[in-house]
Amino acid sequence: AAGVIQSPRHLIKEKRETATLKCYPIPRHDTVYWYQQGPGQDPQFLISFYEKMQSDKGSIPDRFSAQQFSDYHSELNMSSLELGDSALYFCASSLVGQGVGGYTFGSGTRLTVV
Amino acid sequence: AQKVTQAQTEISVVEKEDVTLDCVYETRDTTYYLFWYKQPPSGELVFLIRRNSFDEQNEISGRYSWNFQKSTSSFNFTITASQVVDSAVYFCALSEAKGSQGNLIFGKGTKLSVKP
Repeated sequence: AAGVIQSPRHLIKEKRETATLKCYPIPRHDTVYWYQQGPGQDPQFLISFYEKMQSDKGSIPDRFSAQQFSDYHSELNMSSLELGDSALYFCASSLVGQGVGGYTFGSGTRLTVV
Repeated sequence: AQKVTQAQTEISVVEKEDVTLDCVYETRDTTYYLFWYKQPPSGELVFLIRRNSFDEQNEISGRYSWNFQKSTSSFNFTITASQVVDSAVYFCALSEAKGSQGNLIFGKGTKLSVKP
């Protein structure tokens, strides 16, 4: 069965650079979520999109932005990167109607800022 | 406000021992969902179970079992006859049902080490 695809798997950037993470949800899933997991921490919700519109917002820094495109894939754009942005970034997708938690997580993108 | 508490930061057991991971949650909603995820050293989040607030039936899946008690706001996870491959960080999570959409609130996780 198709899963949530995240790219790249690993990314190394320097401070003040920009990074773009991509997420391809399970086909026909209409909701995408982004989470950030710092080293030794629990995943923290950043932002979600339903039918290409932002549906909820968590602790996402102003330096970050995200959008969902017409093909339902989503991108998380991170600018002016800081050392503290080094983390595992997860994308998840679900289908409204399956109820909350038809969640499927991707394998994550590990971002290292040096 | 929603909150998930996993009081056990780390647990170490010897293979074949049974181990219970505790999870206590707080929510004002009457409709909500509870989850357990496993995160092995490779980093991915592996879905284990989802339970909605109206279903207090306990569940067993192989060596795994879950005990959901609304009276104590707990959703504990037991691994029977633990194996080395069970070594991982386990997260309990909560989501309130907002029109069938909602983000997950995770506990801090319990790191389980199973020694041979």
